Amino acid sequence: DAMVIQNPRYQVTQFGKPVTLSCSQTLNHNVMYWYQQKSSQAPKLLFHYYDKDFNNEADTPDNFQSRRPNTSFCFLDIRSPGLGDAAMYLCATSRGSGGTGELFFGEGSRLTVL
Amino acid sequence: SQQGEEDPQALSIQEGENATMNCSYKTSINNLQWYRQNSGRGLVHLILIRSNEREKHSGRLRVTLDTSKKSSSLLITASRAADTASYFCATVIAAGNKLTFGGGTRVLVKP
Repeated sequence: DAMVIQNPRYQVTQFGKPVTLSCSQTLNHNVMYWYQQKSSQAPKLLFHYYDKDFNNEADTPDNFQSRRPNTSFCFLDIRSPGLGDAAMYLCATSRGSGGTGELFFGEGSRLTVL
Repeated sequence: SQQGEEDPQALSIQEGENATMNCSYKTSINNLQWYRQNSGRGLVHLILIRSNEREKHSGRLRVTLDTSKKSSSLLITASRAADTASYFCATVIAAGNKLTFGGGTRVLVKP
């Protein structure tokens, strides 16, 4: 089935040790999003790609970077994770035409920072 | 601050009862969407309602939208234990291409 797949589902890292989370999609959607969700809070948009066009949210820390080498894949790089970066990271896609419609989410990658 | 605020933050009901949760937002929207999230999982889209629509149904779900009050409600009828989850509203602002989520309502349906 077409879907959004995130890897790894669980990631444990040490304070300051870089981490890369990956997302792949078989939906051929134009738009890919990365959200950060801390416990019992709303998902917070970090950035999104419309095709190759990168859109960073104003309050996304510089510590967070993203790459989209092709339509199917998108990566979230956390250069120097701090304790405050422990969260669930959610990747989502949408068709992106005519205004944002339904988002399709992956199952998330839960990051623990020791 | 968040575009959407949800009320109540938590809701506990018996199986078979209806569950209603509300969402308020601040700026004009293109559409409003509701999502469900089971514990530790990703979000699943439930319903999208456009700014020119007032009500939509999907199975046991009913969503209303009042753009004059900048508010929406989600009604789950005849709830089941499997409906236990967090429910989030999310808005797309006019001419925008991103979704902004509210704080969510945690629903517990007791068997």
